[in-house]
Amino acid sequence: IQLTQSPSSLSASIGDRVTITCRASQGISSYLAWYQQKPGQAPKLLIYAASSLQSGVPSRFSGSGSGTDFTLTISSLQPEDFATYYCQQLNNYPLFTFGPGTKVDIK
Amino acid sequence: EVQLVQSGREVKKPGESLKISCKAGGYRFTNYWIAWVRQMPGKGLECLGVIFPEDHETKYSPSFEGQVTISADKSISTAYLEWNSLKASDTAIFYCARRSLNGAGYDYWGLGTQVTVSS
Repeated sequence: IQLTQSPSSLSASIGDRVTITCRASQGISSYLAWYQQKPGQAPKLLIYAASSLQSGVPSRFSGSGSGTDFTLTISSLQPEDFATYYCQQLNNYPLFTFGPGTKVDIK
Repeated sequence: EVQLVQSGREVKKPGESLKISCKAGGYRFTNYWIAWVRQMPGKGLECLGVIFPEDHETKYSPSFEGQVTISADKSISTAYLEWNSLKASDTAIFYCARRSLNGAGYDYWGLGTQVTVSS
């Protein structure tokens, strides 16, 4: 299963609504997760099962989609949200591949 | 508190062998899959493979089959990633991560081990 993400990068301002898309090469139901990675840090799980918020993650993050098309939305971008975001398919047990990433930086 | 504590950075020469570690704490090590994830300089995340410590079942991504060996020692709650003969292209950060019980992704990560291979 191959994952693509769009855009590969974007520039946004504080307070903006940001949407990142992940597309799977075949249907994966809702078996998708989203991660945030800041420079020099390990990735952090944000969303699992396409739309479930991981404990401790701010509610401005949300996920949607099923089948082959998924989105991660940040409702109001905050300074600490500038990072790279990865989707990951959870369908091909137990090896879960990642998308190529989307870098969000400051406009 | 769940913790995955990885071994320190390594600098090696091409052809050398290496084994890096990931010590788990704060949970029952044998009940969760552990994954190893590579991040080459300036690049994305790649899953090398996974191991289930209870029975040592191991799965490798096709790109890494035969290139690395993943193992675990239940007695000390530690997973390992090993190379027999390093190449310069193995230079990367390697993370271990715990797969959540309900299959909902990798919920805890180590801080990563920087491996540099250079002559």
